[in-house]
Amino acid sequence: QSVLTQPPSASGTPGQRATISCSGSNSNIGRDSVSWYQHLPGTAPKLLIYNNNQRPSGVPDRFSGSKSGTSASLAISGLQSEDEADYYCAAWDGRLDGVLFGGGTKLTVL
Amino acid sequence: QVQLHESGPGAVKPSETLSLTCSVSGASISSYFWSWIRQSPGKGLEWIGYIYYSGSTNYNPSLKSRVTISIDTSKQKFSLNLTSVTAADTAIYYCASSVERGMATVLDYWGQGALVTVSS
Repeated sequence: QSVLTQPPSASGTPGQRATISCSGSNSNIGRDSVSWYQHLPGTAPKLLIYNNNQRPSGVPDRFSGSKSGTSASLAISGLQSEDEADYYCAAWDGRLDGVLFGGGTKLTVL
Repeated sequence: QVQLHESGPGAVKPSETLSLTCSVSGASISSYFWSWIRQSPGKGLEWIGYIYYSGSTNYNPSLKSRVTISIDTSKQKFSLNLTSVTAADTAIYYCASSVERGMATVLDYWGQGALVTVSS
Protein backbone atom coordinates (compact mmCIF):
# COMPACT_ATOMS: atom_id res chain seq x y z
CA GLN A 1 0.00 0.00 0.00
CA SER A 2 1.53 3.28 -1.16
CA VAL A 3 1.78 6.04 1.46
CA LEU A 4 1.45 8.67 -1.24
CA THR A 5 -2.30 8.69 -1.83
CA GLN A 6 -3.72 9.64 -5.20
CA PRO A 7 -7.31 9.36 -6.42
CA PRO A 8 -7.58 6.30 -8.67
CA SER A 9 -9.28 8.28 -11.41
CA ALA A 10 -9.92 11.76 -12.72
CA SER A 11 -11.64 13.10 -15.79
CA GLY A 12 -12.42 16.18 -17.79
CA THR A 13 -13.56 17.31 -21.19
CA PRO A 14 -11.29 18.81 -23.85
CA GLY A 15 -10.29 22.34 -22.99
CA GLN A 16 -11.13 21.97 -19.30
CA ARG A 17 -8.72 21.93 -16.38
CA ALA A 18 -8.04 18.76 -14.42
CA THR A 19 -6.32 18.48 -11.05
CA ILE A 20 -4.74 15.42 -9.49
CA SER A 21 -3.84 15.37 -5.81
CA CYS A 22 -1.10 13.51 -3.96
CA SER A 23 -1.36 13.26 -0.20
CA GLY A 24 1.61 12.25 1.92
CA SER A 25 3.09 12.88 5.32
CA ASN A 26 5.90 14.64 7.13
CA SER A 27 8.27 11.83 6.25
CA ASN A 28 7.93 12.39 2.50
CA ILE A 29 6.14 15.36 0.89
CA GLY A 30 6.42 17.36 4.10
CA ARG A 31 10.20 17.22 4.00
CA ASP A 32 11.10 16.79 0.34
CA SER A 33 10.16 17.86 -3.14
CA VAL A 34 7.66 16.13 -5.40
CA SER A 35 8.01 14.89 -8.95
CA TRP A 36 5.22 13.95 -11.34
CA TYR A 37 5.28 11.41 -14.16
CA GLN A 38 2.99 10.73 -17.10
CA HIS A 39 2.65 7.12 -18.21
CA LEU A 40 0.91 5.96 -21.32
CA PRO A 41 0.46 2.17 -21.53
CA GLY A 42 3.19 0.50 -23.51
CA THR A 43 5.54 3.46 -23.30
CA ALA A 44 8.21 4.68 -20.93
CA PRO A 45 7.04 6.99 -18.12
CA LYS A 46 7.85 10.64 -18.75
CA LEU A 47 9.01 13.22 -16.22
CA LEU A 48 6.49 16.09 -16.17
CA ILE A 49 7.32 18.08 -13.04
CA TYR A 50 10.27 18.11 -10.61
CA ASN A 51 11.06 20.14 -7.48
CA ASN A 52 7.29 20.56 -6.94
CA ASN A 53 6.70 22.98 -9.81
CA GLN A 54 9.55 22.88 -12.32
CA ARG A 55 8.97 21.67 -15.87
CA PRO A 56 11.70 19.97 -17.89
CA SER A 57 12.24 21.51 -21.30
CA GLY A 58 9.69 20.24 -23.79
CA VAL A 59 6.86 19.82 -21.29
CA PRO A 60 4.01 22.19 -22.21
CA ASP A 61 3.15 24.94 -19.73
CA ARG A 62 -0.36 23.45 -19.59
CA PHE A 63 1.15 21.21 -16.92
CA SER A 64 1.84 22.76 -13.54
CA GLY A 65 2.64 21.50 -10.08
CA SER A 66 2.25 22.82 -6.58
CA LYS A 67 2.91 21.70 -3.04
CA SER A 68 1.54 22.76 0.32
CA GLY A 69 2.51 21.06 3.56
CA THR A 70 2.16 17.33 3.10
CA SER A 71 0.16 17.46 -0.13
CA ALA A 72 0.93 18.19 -3.75
CA SER A 73 -1.12 18.71 -6.89
CA LEU A 74 -0.71 18.42 -10.62
CA ALA A 75 -2.90 20.65 -12.75
CA ILE A 76 -3.47 20.19 -16.46
CA SER A 77 -5.17 23.06 -18.23
CA GLY A 78 -6.63 23.03 -21.72
CA LEU A 79 -7.12 19.26 -21.61
CA GLN A 80 -6.33 17.40 -24.82
CA SER A 81 -7.13 13.84 -25.80
CA GLU A 82 -3.43 12.97 -25.75
CA ASP A 83 -3.33 13.83 -22.03
CA GLU A 84 -5.27 10.64 -21.34
CA ALA A 85 -2.75 8.64 -19.32
CA ASP A 86 -1.77 7.48 -15.86
CA TYR A 87 -0.13 10.08 -13.64
CA TYR A 88 2.14 9.34 -10.68
CA CYS A 89 3.60 11.52 -7.97
CA ALA A 90 6.91 10.59 -6.36
CA ALA A 91 8.93 11.76 -3.38
CA TRP A 92 11.73 10.67 -1.12
CA ASP A 93 10.55 9.07 2.09
CA GLY A 94 12.73 9.41 5.16
CA ARG A 95 11.22 6.41 6.95
CA LEU A 96 11.48 4.15 3.91
CA ASP A 97 14.86 5.73 3.12
CA GLY A 98 13.93 5.45 -0.51
CA VAL A 99 11.75 6.63 -3.37
CA LEU A 100 7.99 6.43 -3.01
CA PHE A 101 5.52 6.51 -5.89
CA GLY A 102 1.88 7.33 -5.45
CA GLY A 103 -0.65 4.72 -6.46
CA GLY A 104 -1.33 6.51 -9.74
CA THR A 105 -4.32 8.34 -11.19
CA LYS A 106 -5.92 7.38 -14.48
CA LEU A 107 -6.97 10.53 -16.31
CA THR A 108 -9.77 10.18 -18.82
CA VAL A 109 -10.50 12.92 -21.33
CA LEU A 110 -14.19 12.55 -22.11
CA GLN B 1 20.44 12.25 -26.36
CA VAL B 2 20.39 9.91 -23.39
CA GLN B 3 19.04 6.46 -24.14
CA LEU B 4 18.52 3.48 -21.87
CA HIS B 5 17.70 -0.01 -22.99
CA GLU B 6 16.77 -3.01 -20.86
CA SER B 7 17.73 -6.53 -21.89
CA GLY B 8 17.37 -9.98 -20.39
CA PRO B 9 15.21 -13.09 -20.37
CA GLY B 10 11.50 -12.52 -20.80
CA ALA B 11 10.65 -15.55 -18.67
CA VAL B 12 12.00 -16.88 -15.39
CA LYS B 13 10.97 -19.95 -13.41
CA PRO B 14 9.75 -19.63 -9.81
CA SER B 15 12.52 -19.70 -7.21
CA GLU B 16 15.13 -18.73 -9.82
CA THR B 17 16.93 -15.42 -10.28
CA LEU B 18 15.71 -12.62 -12.52
CA SER B 19 18.59 -10.80 -14.21
CA LEU B 20 18.29 -7.67 -16.33
CA THR B 21 20.84 -5.28 -17.78
CA CYS B 22 20.40 -1.66 -18.73
CA SER B 23 22.65 -0.28 -21.45
CA VAL B 24 23.24 3.47 -21.37
CA SER B 25 24.20 5.73 -24.24
CA GLY B 26 24.40 9.48 -24.61
CA ALA B 27 25.61 10.07 -21.04
CA SER B 28 28.41 8.87 -18.84
CA ILE B 29 27.30 6.24 -16.36
CA SER B 30 30.07 7.52 -14.13
CA SER B 31 27.73 10.15 -12.72
CA TYR B 32 24.48 10.34 -10.79
CA PHE B 33 21.85 7.74 -9.91
CA TRP B 34 20.79 4.72 -11.93
CA SER B 35 17.49 3.15 -10.92
CA TRP B 36 15.18 0.21 -11.44
CA ILE B 37 11.39 0.52 -11.24
CA ARG B 38 8.73 -2.05 -12.02
CA GLN B 39 5.04 -2.21 -12.79
CA SER B 40 3.11 -5.37 -12.06
CA PRO B 41 0.01 -6.10 -14.15
CA GLY B 42 -2.81 -3.77 -13.22
CA LYS B 43 -0.73 -1.97 -10.59
CA GLY B 44 1.26 1.21 -10.25
CA LEU B 45 4.96 1.98 -10.37
CA GLU B 46 7.13 0.45 -7.66
CA TRP B 47 10.65 1.66 -6.93
CA ILE B 48 13.09 -1.26 -6.69
CA GLY B 49 16.29 0.60 -5.94
CA TYR B 50 19.17 2.60 -7.31
CA ILE B 51 22.90 2.54 -7.56
CA TYR B 52 25.00 5.66 -7.38
CA TYR B 53 27.87 5.84 -9.85
CA SER B 54 30.30 5.34 -6.97
CA GLY B 55 28.73 1.95 -6.33
CA SER B 56 26.64 2.73 -3.27
CA THR B 57 23.13 1.30 -3.40
CA ASN B 58 19.72 1.82 -1.87
CA TYR B 59 16.90 -0.69 -2.12
CA ASN B 60 13.19 -0.82 -1.40
CA PRO B 61 12.93 -2.47 2.05
CA SER B 62 10.22 -4.79 0.77
CA LEU B 63 12.67 -6.27 -1.77
CA LYS B 64 15.98 -5.61 -0.06
CA SER B 65 16.69 -9.21 0.93
CA ARG B 66 16.40 -10.36 -2.70
CA VAL B 67 17.77 -7.45 -4.75
CA THR B 68 21.23 -6.58 -5.97
CA ILE B 69 21.98 -3.70 -8.33
CA SER B 70 25.46 -3.46 -9.79
CA ILE B 71 27.23 -1.17 -12.22
CA ASP B 72 29.93 -1.64 -14.84
CA THR B 73 31.18 1.79 -15.77
CA SER B 74 33.58 0.41 -18.38
CA LYS B 75 30.65 -1.06 -20.31
CA GLN B 76 28.15 1.74 -19.64
CA LYS B 77 25.77 -0.78 -18.10
CA PHE B 78 24.05 -1.43 -14.81
CA SER B 79 22.21 -4.55 -13.78
CA LEU B 80 19.42 -5.90 -11.61
CA ASN B 81 19.37 -9.29 -9.93
CA LEU B 82 16.26 -10.43 -8.08
CA THR B 83 16.49 -13.80 -6.41
CA SER B 84 13.85 -16.36 -5.41
CA VAL B 85 11.23 -14.96 -7.73
CA THR B 86 7.54 -15.80 -7.54
CA ALA B 87 4.57 -14.99 -9.74
CA ALA B 88 4.26 -11.71 -7.82
CA ASP B 89 7.49 -10.57 -9.48
CA THR B 90 5.91 -10.72 -12.93
CA ALA B 91 6.12 -7.15 -14.17
CA ILE B 92 7.47 -4.69 -16.68
CA TYR B 93 10.89 -3.67 -15.41
CA TYR B 94 12.18 -0.20 -16.26
CA CYS B 95 15.63 1.23 -15.86
CA ALA B 96 15.89 4.98 -15.42
CA SER B 97 18.46 7.69 -14.81
CA SER B 98 18.78 10.94 -12.89
CA VAL B 99 21.32 12.45 -15.25
CA GLU B 100 19.90 15.94 -15.66
CA ARG B 101 19.17 16.85 -12.05
CA GLY B 102 21.08 14.34 -9.98
CA MET B 103 18.22 13.48 -7.64
CA ALA B 104 17.02 9.95 -7.06
CA THR B 105 13.35 11.01 -7.23
CA VAL B 106 13.79 12.91 -10.50
CA LEU B 107 14.02 10.24 -13.19
CA ASP B 108 14.83 12.14 -16.35
CA TYR B 109 15.23 9.29 -18.77
CA TRP B 110 13.63 5.85 -18.87
CA GLY B 111 14.07 2.70 -20.89
CA GLN B 112 11.13 1.28 -22.80
CA GLY B 113 10.72 -1.48 -20.26
CA ALA B 114 11.22 -5.23 -20.29
CA LEU B 115 8.38 -7.61 -19.54
CA VAL B 116 9.46 -10.45 -17.30
CA THR B 117 7.04 -13.28 -16.62
CA VAL B 118 7.59 -15.71 -13.76
CA SER B 119 6.09 -19.04 -14.64
CA SER B 120 6.98 -22.70 -14.52
